[in-house]
Amino acid sequence: EVQLVESGGGLVQPGSSLRLSCGASGFTFSNYWMNWVRQAPGKGLEWVANIKQDGSEKHYVDSVKGRFTISRDNAKNSLYLQMNSLRAEDTAVYYCARDVDFYDRSLVYWGQGTRVTVSS
Amino acid sequence: DIQMTQSPSSVSASVGDRVTITCRASQDISRWLAWYQQKPGKAPKLLIYVASSLQSGVPSRFSGSGSGTDFTLTISSLQPEDFAIYYCQQTTNFPLTFGGGTKVEIK
Repeated sequence: EVQLVESGGGLVQPGSSLRLSCGASGFTFSNYWMNWVRQAPGKGLEWVANIKQDGSEKHYVDSVKGRFTISRDNAKNSLYLQMNSLRAEDTAVYYCARDVDFYDRSLVYWGQGTRVTVSS
Repeated sequence: DIQMTQSPSSVSASVGDRVTITCRASQDISRWLAWYQQKPGKAPKLLIYVASSLQSGVPSRFSGSGSGTDFTLTISSLQPEDFAIYYCQQTTNFPLTFGGGTKVEIK
């Protein structure tokens, strides 16, 4: 059974940093692109970033470029999101998600999410 | 960035009704479109990928169609468990982008 389990969320002040983690099991982690998607309270879904199987290619939504860094450790079956210079508008539930397959960027498996609140 | 526009933003329907949700892309995305269902407090669930492929385990009352810029999600006979928010997402250009969502409510 595929499982994605996020951790690392919490309440932080504006300007601070936070590192989210996503542990994966039930599939060969190194074979898939992985993603972070967020959802602000009462709002829709926003794709944040993704990373290729070997970490050689990364993409970000403009609003987080230069502040967030996605990374992975295939030996530990883990995905990370380093979030720096956090802003109030980064407040959201953050989900990690796996692509359907090598060719398609649809998101077939999702974690339960971890909540990040940025407030003074 | 490719903008994804869903309509309507909400729809009221009864059990057994046929419901159609549309999604329009700001540029040609071929068939690279996915549909998701999200219930309150839960992660989204993939329903349809590559415009019309039904994800394993998803009931056949869900179907997707379209290509280019115009796409449709149809629920042929609405069931009580289908009341939720539905999102489309283009899966071809970075950044990947979602539509604003369509809330399917009980009439």
